[in-house]
Amino acid sequence: NAGVMQNPRHLVRRRGQEARLRCSPVKGHSHVYWYRQLPEEGLKFMVYLQKENIIDESGMPKERFSAEFPKEGPSILRIQQVVRGDSAAYFCASSPFEGFQPQHFGDGTRLSIL
Amino acid sequence: QQQVKQSPQSLIVQKGGISIINCAYENTAFDYFPWYQQFPGKGPALLIAIRPDVSEKKEGRFTISFNKSAKQFSLHIMDSQPGDSATYFCAASWTDKLIFGTGTRLQVFP
Repeated sequence: NAGVMQNPRHLVRRRGQEARLRCSPVKGHSHVYWYRQLPEEGLKFMVYLQKENIIDESGMPKERFSAEFPKEGPSILRIQQVVRGDSAAYFCASSPFEGFQPQHFGDGTRLSIL
Repeated sequence: QQQVKQSPQSLIVQKGGISIINCAYENTAFDYFPWYQQFPGKGPALLIAIRPDVSEKKEGRFTISFNKSAKQFSLHIMDSQPGDSATYFCAASWTDKLIFGTGTRLQVFP
């Protein structure tokens, strides 16, 4: 049974480039959550998606950040025109249906901005 | 009102001792309180969780104590081991998103 798979595990980008982070949920799970962890801090909720729908994006920065979870394929968190402050670990979690706990987390993508 | 406050920030315990981490919340709508354990370079892994209809839950060496009236909950690790050295996060949820505390770095020395 594969858990939540995130790739790449490490991503290095220069300022101004785009970063694409991928998350494949646990098989059968149709709900995906993205969280960001800044160094030495707790995880902060960013966005909650179901297949083809954004349910809650209250934690997403208004600009440069977007997320999708298509009918087929992984969920994608996209950061355009990255800045140094985007350097963080980005974690994805999944659950089988709305309101289900616990959420299962992947091992994250560590994004470094040069 | 969305915050979960966690203390202490770091904790050093002798092997065999008891580790205690505390969290407090404001939002009475929270109905799920998990604790996650995170090792360096890894994602958070669920350790133990509780709902507000019980005051205590125990799983092996790990116990959650929950005080609904005080809006506080705590994690107790009995007989702490060096392998328990990690960062621990409390969290709370009432919709689908988890609100995390700021974490406690636990070091258990032999």
